[in-house]
Amino acid sequence: DAKTTQPTSMDCAEGRAANLPCNHSTISGNEYVYWYRQIHSQGPQYIIHGLKNNETNEMASLIITEDRKSSTLILPHATLRDTAVYYCIVRAAQGGSEKLVFGKGTKLTVNP
Amino acid sequence: EAGVVQSPRYKIIEKKQPVAFWCNPISGHNTLYWYLQNLGQGPELLIRYENEEAVDDSQLPKDRFSAERLKGVDSTLKIQPAELGDSAVYLCASSLGLAGGLRDEQFFGPGTRLTVL
Repeated sequence: DAKTTQPTSMDCAEGRAANLPCNHSTISGNEYVYWYRQIHSQGPQYIIHGLKNNETNEMASLIITEDRKSSTLILPHATLRDTAVYYCIVRAAQGGSEKLVFGKGTKLTVNP
Repeated sequence: EAGVVQSPRYKIIEKKQPVAFWCNPISGHNTLYWYLQNLGQGPELLIRYENEEAVDDSQLPKDRFSAERLKGVDSTLKIQPAELGDSAVYLCASSLGLAGGLRDEQFFGPGTRLTVL
């Protein structure tokens, strides 16, 4: 079973920041938080991952609470092309290639 | 750089017929995954290969599903015979595997949408 809880859907206005929350209260010390997204009719796409420090890349920022029980993915300036299902995944990254356990994700709709 | 290639993109068959899906991973990626995605759900792992060895096939329904990855590159997933409940999207993904370290990002193909009538 997925170890995360996400809202089913969210809406965001184009050009505004999209903040997608994720609860992972049972996360273990060696588990990372990964985010993927899936645009309609495409396969999932990696966005970002982190352990306990906040992370930022060209796509998004990841804010992880100090107790690591929740996190927020931030798309700073959402565009229509960011409309997708966003998956928050908790995964032990031990240098191997473990499977990703997906939940149902959050359906983000960016409105013009 | 070419991504993960899958074919066909769409397949419609009648129940009890066989069907096969093909996947060509990103060059140099040692690990290959097959996922099943039902409508409205996230993908679920069917099988994972490290090179040509299936290292996790615990979720593969072995009575009707089979997979192979000859020479550790391309892979095929077969269903025989197909059932109505097999209608879904079948996704292939690849990653560097151990060489990828902590990131080990999985790259997904576009999937094959199977409809069983």
